[in-house]
Amino acid sequence: DAGVTQSPTHLIKTRGQHVTLRCSPISGHKSVSWYQQVLGQGPQFIFQYYEKEERGRGNFPDRFSARQFPNYSSELNVNALLLGDSALYLCASSLRPNPDTQYFGPGTRLTVL
Amino acid sequence: QKEVEQNSGPLSVPEGAIASLNCTYSDRVSQSFFWYRQYSGKSPELIMSIYSNGDKEDGRFTAQLNKASQYVSLLIRDSQPSDSATYLCAVNIGPGANNLFFGTGTRLTVIP
Repeated sequence: DAGVTQSPTHLIKTRGQHVTLRCSPISGHKSVSWYQQVLGQGPQFIFQYYEKEERGRGNFPDRFSARQFPNYSSELNVNALLLGDSALYLCASSLRPNPDTQYFGPGTRLTVL
Repeated sequence: QKEVEQNSGPLSVPEGAIASLNCTYSDRVSQSFFWYRQYSGKSPELIMSIYSNGDKEDGRFTAQLNKASQYVSLLIRDSQPSDSATYLCAVNIGPGANNLFFGTGTRLTVIP
């Protein structure tokens, strides 16, 4: 079975631009969470969606937004990119909303110049 | 105050030895605990989950949880060079969203 998939793999943007990252969960999983991992740190929670509703939000500015589609795939949007947004963006899926084991996708490496 | 703390390492052990990785957490209501392995440039890969006090074994890996001491550990027996990676401790600090709080990770190197 396919695991969590994410696209694109790598992305280079300039300050002030907008970016959209995409995630498809493991088949049958209805919960998707997004994390940001900067170099040398552990992943930091951004959002969780379950059944198309936001279930949790981390300590990130309003420039970050997300949504989940009827097929349970998800998008993470970041507006007005800053240099500090450069990171590995990870999507994780789980069967149930909480608590449940989360499985991570390969990530999207975002570089902001 | 950080919610999850790990020794950043690096931790070096010879091949065949036992590697011991430790993690403490601050929130007493934490319910579920996870160890992930992350190779350089890759995403975290689940190794173990543990929910109850005591030990949980899976092959060469043993997770230990002590909720009274707010402490969780991972033992890797018969360490192999392929175990060289960063090990992330993650805690689900409920209730509410299924969001994990991660430590900064411990870098393990197994020396052949």
